[in-house]
This record gives sequence, C-alpha cells and structure tokens, in this order.
Amino acid sequence: ILNVEQSPQSLHVQEGDSTNFTCSFPSSNFYALHWYRWETAKSPEALFVMTLNGDEKKKGRISATLNTKEGYSYLYIKGSQPEDSATYLCAFNNAGGTSYGKLTFGQGTILTVHP
Amino acid sequence: EAQVTQNPRYLITVTGKKLTVTCSQNMNHEYMSWYRQDPGLGLRQIYYSMNVEVTDKGDVPEGYKVSRKEKRNFPLILESPSPNQTSLYFCASSPAGSLDQPQHFGDGTRLSIL
Repeated sequence: ILNVEQSPQSLHVQEGDSTNFTCSFPSSNFYALHWYRWETAKSPEALFVMTLNGDEKKKGRISATLNTKEGYSYLYIKGSQPEDSATYLCAFNNAGGTSYGKLTFGQGTILTVHP
Repeated sequence: EAQVTQNPRYLITVTGKKLTVTCSQNMNHEYMSWYRQDPGLGLRQIYYSMNVEVTDKGDVPEGYKVSRKEKRNFPLILESPSPNQTSLYFCASSPAGSLDQPQHFGDGTRLSIL
C-alpha cells in the first residue's frame, strides 16, 4: 500500500486568513495527483487533477502546486471564508505495474474557518 | 442531471446476510471504483474497474466482490458481511480509463453490520 501523507491533520483559522496544507506522496512512477474538497454530510468534490511536475492550478481563491520530483503538493486558500470549512483530501495514482487504476488517498486535512 | 447513484443510502443488517450495494452512473464513464471511509483512515479503495468486464483489487478488497457487466453499473457485493465492514461506502466514476480525470462521487451508503 502506497504511503500518502497529509499535514496538518487539522487546522483552525480566522476568516480572512490565508492558509496552506501539504500532501506528500512517493516520487517514483508518478501519474496523477488529485485534490478533493469534502464537506460534512456531502460527498467529495473534485478540485484539481495534476499530472505535470511544476503544474499550478487555480479555482477562485484555491490554488495548488505540484512537485513530482520531491513528491509533494501544496493546496493554498487565500482569504479563507467560513464556507471553506471542510476536509481536503489528496489522492495519488501510481503509473507503475499493476497499480495503474489504483487511487490512494491521504487521511485529509480538516479545515475550520471561524467567523 | 449527471450523477452517480448509490442504493441503499442506509442499511442496518446482521452478520452473514448477503447484501448488494448498487452503483449506477449516467455519464458514460469508463472508470468506476468503490471506497470505504472509516474514522482516522481516510478513503480506502476496495475495487476498481477500468472498463466493462475489467475489475481489479484496490487496497482493501477482502470480503467484497464486484462485477462490471455493463458500463453504467458497478455493484458491490458483501457475500457474508461482518461487523468490521461497518463503514461509509462511496462509489465513484471518471471519464477516462486512466486517472488523469477527476472522480465523481455518489452520495454514499452507510452500512451497519450487527
């Protein structure tokens, strides 16, 4: 089982703060890195899928970067709002061997934004 | 409306009584997958299917079966459920037969095995 680590496990910020969290994954046989946003009592929603080293993607106030050589991705939220409160999940796909269709998730970072 | 539909949404049952959780998508997606979510463990992949008639094990396949006879359906079968399979289950699909496309998740099925 591949090791995908997210840090921190949880984060409390004030409305208006900018924040970021990390996803670490194996640097060998990289194929794709996914980010999802998961609100309580809902299902996960896709934010980004990143495939190229150096990739940067942006959706509104949320952006992500990717470093496949060192095996990490950062998710940034600028000017956090209470509605950004959710669990943020990353997931790694390995291109090697029989793992082609496997998607391994990290444990998630729980973000709480206080008004 | 494009969606992934799981049924049932909630089920309480007893050890050993076979059950099936259905998953259907109306987006003509190639890839489908099942996950379970347990506190502190995140989402773990049970089985996935790259296309019709092609299924493979994820990280936690023990105690589960799947089939992919049609593109739209990917049922999850628990032949002899046990209490350690009590969990929240998600089905997901994505357009391509590879994972450079985002997953679309169903609403989840909460299973309790007594």
